[in-house]
Amino acid sequence: EAGVAQSPRYKIIEKRQSVAFWCNPISGHATLYWYQQILGQGPKLLIQFQNNGVVDDSQLPKDRFSAERLKGVDSTLKIQPAKLEDSAVYLCASSFGIGGYNEQFFGPGTRLTVL
Amino acid sequence: KNEVEQSPQNLTAQEEEFITINCSYSVGISALHWLQQHPGGGIVSLFMLSSGKKKHGRLIATINIQEKHSSLHITASHPRDSAVYICAVRPENYGGATNKLIFGTGTLLAVQP
Repeated sequence: EAGVAQSPRYKIIEKRQSVAFWCNPISGHATLYWYQQILGQGPKLLIQFQNNGVVDDSQLPKDRFSAERLKGVDSTLKIQPAKLEDSAVYLCASSFGIGGYNEQFFGPGTRLTVL
Repeated sequence: KNEVEQSPQNLTAQEEEFITINCSYSVGISALHWLQQHPGGGIVSLFMLSSGKKKHGRLIATINIQEKHSSLHITASHPRDSAVYICAVRPENYGGATNKLIFGTGTLLAVQP
């Protein structure tokens, strides 16, 4: 079974530039998560989708971050414009459902460096 | 204070040593996860627990719901076990709507040959 795919794996940009990350979840997984993991910290949930609807985006900095999952399958996360403090690993995860015992499967992450 | 605390933050061990990583949490939970993250890599789920003990190969995870504490043990450690081990909990008061996880900051383990 193919895992969660993410691209690119690494990205270096200058501050105030824009960047987009892509995620393709495991086939059949209805729930998709984007996390931000700053060096030395645990992942922080940015946004959660159930199919193509947003379930939780309470920690998404909406002035510069946006995410979509138009067809309920793959998803993109965009940062516009980027700031130095956005340097982090951006993890995508998916799960079959959203109940308490639905295991989340993580992708390899995209490491973003903002100069 | 974080809702999920791990100790130690860093751990260096010799090959074959028995390793214990601890996780304490301050909220009621419906599930606790132990995750492994290799440098530059994604996160792999090791265990999901709601009670008792689970074992997979050389890894053992235990949880004490009353004490709000979980431990991850590695027997006969090997250099390939070197990674960050992360504890994450699903708070019980979130119901079924979000499956939200609260993560600890991780324990960086280095096993030397």
